[in-house]
Amino acid sequence: DIQMTQSPSSLSASVGDRITITCRASEHISNYLNWFQQKPGKAPELLIYAASSLQSGVPSRFSGSGSGTDFTLTISSLHPEDFAAYYCQQTYFAPRTFGGGTKVEIK
Amino acid sequence: EVQLVESGGGLVQPGGSLRLSCAASGFTFSTHNMNWVRQAPGKGLEWVSYIRSSSSTIYYADSVKGRFTISRDNAKNSLYLQMNSLRAEDTAVYYCARESQYYDGSAYHYVNYMDVWGTGTTVTVSS
Repeated sequence: DIQMTQSPSSLSASVGDRITITCRASEHISNYLNWFQQKPGKAPELLIYAASSLQSGVPSRFSGSGSGTDFTLTISSLHPEDFAAYYCQQTYFAPRTFGGGTKVEIK
Repeated sequence: EVQLVESGGGLVQPGGSLRLSCAASGFTFSTHNMNWVRQAPGKGLEWVSYIRSSSSTIYYADSVKGRFTISRDNAKNSLYLQMNSLRAEDTAVYYCARESQYYDGSAYHYVNYMDVWGTGTTVTVSS
């Protein structure tokens, strides 16, 4: 199975900060990598698909990059509504594994 | 409006069974692959199962293989998850998720992604 390792597992940041979350696959997955945001008590929402394509309706401050085994999600300037958990997921092979998640908290 | 609504969750004793349903509306259900994803209390997301639009291909996580069965009825726009031999570690919110595809012209392949999620149904396995 492909293991997805996210880092950091949590981070504290302020409104306006630029943050980067990393996701590493245990083997090559090309660009079969998607990013989700989840707020407490809510279902996950798709942010980025195919490593770098912005889902319709998602603000442009979110961006994704990477290919192969190393991927990043960047929020260029944190807004109050961005404090949430973020997950990467690979869809290259089954099982379609998720990363362990990154919780973004207010400093 | 594109929507997925799960139902069928509840409290069940260890060893028991439950059948989850996911009702789809607002899109052509029969053309989309579907997934079940779960989240244990305070934990991250765990992919559970996948079914192709035609039901021709099915995958399971190792943690549920042999106990859970995914199925769909395209005529009823519905997805199901039959859960048998339930364990305490199956306690979670269960989400159904629609899968869409993006054609990457530079790489000449399709990338699948889960773009629509239901609100979830809670399964609690406890005596």
